Amino acid sequence: GDSVTQMEGPVTLSEEAFLTINCTYTATGYPSLFWYVQYPGEGLQLLLKATKADDKGSNKGFEATYRKETTSFHLEKGSVQVSDSAVYFCALPTGNQFYFGTGTSLTVIP
Amino acid sequence: DAGITQSPRHKVTETGTPVTLRCHQTENHRYMYWYRQDPGHGLRLIHYSYGVKDTDKGEVSDGYSVSRSKTEDFLLTLESATSSQTSVYFCAISVRAGGSTDTQYFGPGTRLTVL
Repeated sequence: GDSVTQMEGPVTLSEEAFLTINCTYTATGYPSLFWYVQYPGEGLQLLLKATKADDKGSNKGFEATYRKETTSFHLEKGSVQVSDSAVYFCALPTGNQFYFGTGTSLTVIP
Repeated sequence: DAGITQSPRHKVTETGTPVTLRCHQTENHRYMYWYRQDPGHGLRLIHYSYGVKDTDKGEVSDGYSVSRSKTEDFLLTLESATSSQTSVYFCAISVRAGGSTDTQYFGPGTRLTVL
């Protein structure tokens, strides 16, 4: 069945470091792919999405490219800030539902 | 802001008591969802609704029931709460904005503790 797998956390980085959070998917066809972010004590917020292969989603300095060859949608940011500390979820819609990865916790230290 | 509110935001209850959580949306979207979030499991779907009185089970539906008598409200009921149902519960709606891609938007969550 359809699923997403994302890298285990937690991840701790220094401010201005480069971030990569890996996400791979298993799906029939070419679904849209999403990254959500959850700040402490809040619900999930849409961070970015890509609707077809080779699309790049971007928002708030984060980017992810939909790569069908490697069935991946890795999240990247060139220079993280303390305010980026959160939990990040990769997500895959299938039918009327969404499948979410288990989440990757990111802590950015000054 | 997708106009989703959840109530209560926090609740502590005792094992064996019934509990109802409410999700309210202001934009009349057809699809609504209840998830639970637990460490190491991410988000797991409990139930979802695709219209008034139309609901279906998700991955972890045992011990939960839902009702949707109005488009704007989706209720989640724990008939007899157990400690394993201690969790953070999120409501979500699905929005289709152009094309065929749905996007889910989430409420702020309800933290439930069952003692």
